Amino acid sequence: SQTIHQWPATLVQPVGSPLSLECTVEGTSNPNLYWYRQAAGRGLQLLFYSVGIGQISSEVPQNLSASRPQDRQFILSSKKLLLSDSGFYLCAWSVEGGSGETQYFGPGTRLLVL
Amino acid sequence: RKEVEQDPGPFNVPEGATVAFNCTYSNSASQSFFWYRQDCRKEPKLLMSVYSSGNEDGRFTAQLNRASQYISLLIRDSKLSDSATYLCVVNHQGKFYFGSGTKLNVKP
Repeated sequence: SQTIHQWPATLVQPVGSPLSLECTVEGTSNPNLYWYRQAAGRGLQLLFYSVGIGQISSEVPQNLSASRPQDRQFILSSKKLLLSDSGFYLCAWSVEGGSGETQYFGPGTRLLVL
Repeated sequence: RKEVEQDPGPFNVPEGATVAFNCTYSNSASQSFFWYRQDCRKEPKLLMSVYSSGNEDGRFTAQLNRASQYISLLIRDSKLSDSATYLCVVNHQGKFYFGSGTKLNVKP
């Protein structure tokens, strides 16, 4: 069965510090991968999605970037964090199936920028 | 206009009640539809896909009305464990659009 891992689970970082969040998927090949952010009490905001290695689409201009160095690895980065980057970061994967494309989420990383 | 709109609630209901949530979507060409459940400080989890003919999974029934562009979720015989935020999700050309969620509180 497929599983998705994210780490770390929780992170506290000072403003201006760099960021690297990692997500890996097991048990599937060539998934579509997504990074979302959820601010406290708010809905999910799509940040990036990727349909293959090295293919990244950015949805929201900001100081974050994403990379997909391997088929089942998706990395979210920042060179300098802002206070507004605080939130719950969720990685998700999807694959086309018999009933259409369905999306599954990792456990998330809770980031607090101070 | 948001792609997917939901009443944020909260819906406060007693155990055993029947409760219904609706959501509307703006893109008539949307291809697939889902309800997710999100517990506090956890990731969203797929509750059920929604099909045009309507579908049922135990106490949960989902309906899709393409003509009116709305999706519904009915929960019968509510349990305390049903307390969560329910997210309506629409897929259009490979992108998933999420509603902000409807909060449900089931009280003893």
